[in-house]
Amino acid sequence: QKEVEQNSGPLSVPEGAIASLNCTYSDRGSQSFFWYRQYSGKSPELIMSIYSNGDKEDGRFTAQLNKASQYVSLLIRDSQPSDSATYLCAAPGGTSYGKLTFGQGTILTVHP
Amino acid sequence: DTEVTQTPKHLVMGMTNKKSLKCEQHMGHRAMYWYKQKAKKPPELMFVYSYEKLSINESVPSRFSPECPNSSLLNLHLHALQPEDSALYLCASSQEGGVTEAFFGQGTRLTVV
Repeated sequence: QKEVEQNSGPLSVPEGAIASLNCTYSDRGSQSFFWYRQYSGKSPELIMSIYSNGDKEDGRFTAQLNKASQYVSLLIRDSQPSDSATYLCAAPGGTSYGKLTFGQGTILTVHP
Repeated sequence: DTEVTQTPKHLVMGMTNKKSLKCEQHMGHRAMYWYKQKAKKPPELMFVYSYEKLSINESVPSRFSPECPNSSLLNLHLHALQPEDSALYLCASSQEGGVTEAFFGQGTRLTVV
């Protein structure tokens, strides 16, 4: 089992819709989770971090964490074409302290 | 200030060359990372330095040699690379290794010819 897994996508949504991205993780001891956005040819940009069960909102973005089910999700409301990118879920993972492991990424396309 | 600076942005090197990638952060972070990213793949961890000591080496070939001269700087020395080593090399830093937000530099696009 991979340490961090994302729904494979790609995901295509119309402008103005809600985009839902999901991620599961294998290490029950993980305490922190991160969502990164990566535009083609650019480096990953941190957009959300979440440490506690429940929801965390920041503008159009909401991260949701459910530790019992070991999943974390990212909702993007009122999706814009500029949100089109690859979204990467990351969590501390594996047997090595200090390792930050990424999921495979989900390509999101928002079409006008 | 959440800036991590990498130089150079682009690098083309021959298989017999020696070159170095540089990374600098001034956020007081105690963990620094090197990642390698191939097209359409997620970043793949190479090395982690924690408190200036190498804490993780993900079985990276010895032609890649990391160095952490001080808490703000991280280098990656390259020697005798292969064309398959061509990739985007990313540096990141975080307050604590793996458990707090990691911030990435803009990356170095490396081409080995």
